[in-house]
Amino acid sequence: RKEVEQDPGPFNVPEGATVAFNCTYSNSASQSFFWYRQDCRKEPKLLMSVYSSGNEDGRFTAQLNRASQYISLLIRDSKLSDSATYLCVVNLYNQGGKLIFGQGTELSVKP
Amino acid sequence: DTAVSQTPKYLVTQMGNDKSIKCEQNLGHDTMYWYKQDSKKFLKIMFSYNNKELIINETVPNRFSPKSPDKAHLNLHINSLELGDSAVYFCASSQNRGLGGELFFGEGSRLTVL
Repeated sequence: RKEVEQDPGPFNVPEGATVAFNCTYSNSASQSFFWYRQDCRKEPKLLMSVYSSGNEDGRFTAQLNRASQYISLLIRDSKLSDSATYLCVVNLYNQGGKLIFGQGTELSVKP
Repeated sequence: DTAVSQTPKYLVTQMGNDKSIKCEQNLGHDTMYWYKQDSKKFLKIMFSYNNKELIINETVPNRFSPKSPDKAHLNLHINSLELGDSAVYFCASSQNRGLGGELFFGEGSRLTVL
């Protein structure tokens, strides 16, 4: 079983749509969680951290359910510029702070 | 000013050759990494150095040898290249062993082995 699992997509949505991505992780020792964004043929960049109480950054909302080992990302009012791959990431403190990346979920926002 | 820079960006070479990729960061970070992203887009950690000390060494063939001459540089040397080594190799850096979760990646080095 992969340590971090995501639906690879692609998710094809119209502009203005709301879209949600899910992620599950297998290592209960995972301590912190993040969403990264990777544009085509570019490097990954941190989008946002995910806090236990859930957190929002503009149109983006991240949620964490430690009991179910599940993380989500909700994007409201999708823009064309949101088209990218979204990577779920967990941090294993007990392994030297190793960051484990999911395969990513591809999002394509169409006009 | 590029924060994490790696060279070369593109590398095409024959099987059996030896090649190196260089990485430098000007962010003053303590920790540097090499990640490999294969054709299926999985980003897998290979190595991590903290202040020139190796702290993460995943199951990587010993044909891959990282070297950190100082905390701002982490180079990757690959011996006897194989077809399966074709991938994009990303260098990254972070503060405090990445416990805060933010890694700054270079633009990647796309290696093609023929």
